Amino acid sequence: NAGVTQTPKFQVLKTGQSMTLQCAQDMNHNSMYWYRQDPGMGLRLIYYSASEGTTDKGEVPNGYNVSRLNKREFSLRLESAAPSQTSVYFCASTDRVATDTQYFGPGTRLTVL
Amino acid sequence: AQKVTQAQTEISVVEKEDVTLDCVYETRDTTYYLFWYKQPPSGELVFLIRRNSFDEQNEISGRYSWNFQKSTSSFNFTITASQVVDSAVYFCALITYYGANSKLTFGKGITLSVRP
Repeated sequence: NAGVTQTPKFQVLKTGQSMTLQCAQDMNHNSMYWYRQDPGMGLRLIYYSASEGTTDKGEVPNGYNVSRLNKREFSLRLESAAPSQTSVYFCASTDRVATDTQYFGPGTRLTVL
Repeated sequence: AQKVTQAQTEISVVEKEDVTLDCVYETRDTTYYLFWYKQPPSGELVFLIRRNSFDEQNEISGRYSWNFQKSTSSFNFTITASQVVDSAVYFCALITYYGANSKLTFGKGITLSVRP
């Protein structure tokens, strides 16, 4: 099992450009999450999907959109990137029925110039 | 509201020293889970332990041990005989439930440096 995978690993954007971060899990988990990590801030939840077909806002959703494409995949889109979105983005998934432990992908380091 | 406080921001020790990382949490819920994650310099987040609110038994796993005390709302993590490979950022996290959903709240992390 690969666990949670994320693409790309690194990305540099110019202000105003758009991009989609991809996340996939092969653990048959129902719930998936997107976090951002900034220095000294810990991890903050952007959006989550409790189950296929549902998405909800987290703590810092502004400037982002998400799509739960199927049970395996959960993408995060930046429509018009801003320097404030420079961060490391983590995707996570969990099987809420079994353990509720969130397992994280390797992260995407995004820089917006 | 849920809150996780990791008051220590950076700790530096010499190899083989014992070190304790503190975690204090706040929640009004009676059912919750506490976690510790490790983030080594490579950047990934590694799950270390999960403890539910009804289980105050201390846990030991090799050089790692965890002390959960509901009376003081603390879930502290001790590394015995630290090693250079323990150098990482350590996050404490709290999960609480509302309806069918759950929320994971992270502390801001403790950067541990173990010097040879």
